[in-house]
Amino acid sequence: IVMTQSPATLSVSLGERATLSCRASQSVSSNLVWYQQKPGQAPRLLIYGASTRATGTPARFSGSGSGTEFTLTINSLQSEDFAVYYCQHHNDWRWTFGQGTKVEIK
Amino acid sequence: EVQLVESGGGLVQPGGSLRLSCVASGFTFSNSWMHWVRQAPGMGPVWVSRMNGDGRSRNYADSVEGRFAISRDNAKNTLYLEMNSLRVEDTALYYCANSVNGRFVYWGQGTLVTVSS
Repeated sequence: IVMTQSPATLSVSLGERATLSCRASQSVSSNLVWYQQKPGQAPRLLIYGASTRATGTPARFSGSGSGTEFTLTINSLQSEDFAVYYCQHHNDWRWTFGQGTKVEIK
Repeated sequence: EVQLVESGGGLVQPGGSLRLSCVASGFTFSNSWMHWVRQAPGMGPVWVSRMNGDGRSRNYADSVEGRFAISRDNAKNTLYLEMNSLRVEDTALYYCANSVNGRFVYWGQGTLVTVSS
C-alpha cells in the first residue's frame, strides 16, 4: 500500500486553519496514524485510528476519513505547529509512511 | 518517564557492518513490540524491522532482509540491530520505537549511520 500526502508544502498564517491530505492506494479502513516532526526531533504521535487524538495532542488537531482518503485539520495554527506531518498505515507486519507535508509560516 | 536511547551509529564503507543498540527505560520492555525505523535526510520515515517481546517473532522490510538482524536482551532492556553488507542507500538516522496496536508511541532520538567510501 502506498500512502500519498498532499500538498508537499502548505503555507499558512498564524491563527488560520491547515488542511492536510493523505491518500492510500487501497482501502486501509480506519487504520491510519498521523505524526508531527519538528527539525532535529523524532516524530511524535498525534492521531491514531484516523481520528483519535493521542495523549497530549491539543484539541485543535483533528483527523477524519476512512478507506482511502484521510484529512488532518489543524485549527487556529500556533507557532509550535509549524512542522512536517506524516501519515502512516500498518497492515499485518508492514508499516508504510507518506512522504510528508511541511506546514510553514506564510 | 519513557526513554529510548540509541547508539552505535557512525561512518562505514560500503560492504561494512555496524551494530546499533537501543536502551529502554520507563516501561515494561519485555512486553513490548520494538521496532527500528530509519529516515534519510529530507525524507519520510521508513520502517526497517520489528521484534516481539519475547524475541520469538521478527520481521524485516524487503530492502534489508538477509542483511540486517534484529535482536533483544530483555535482561538489559536493550534492542539491537546488526547491519551487514551496508549500502550507500542505508544512510539514514536510525530510530528505535515501540508500538501499540500498530502505532509508534515512543521514539528515541536516533543514531546516524553514514555509508560512504
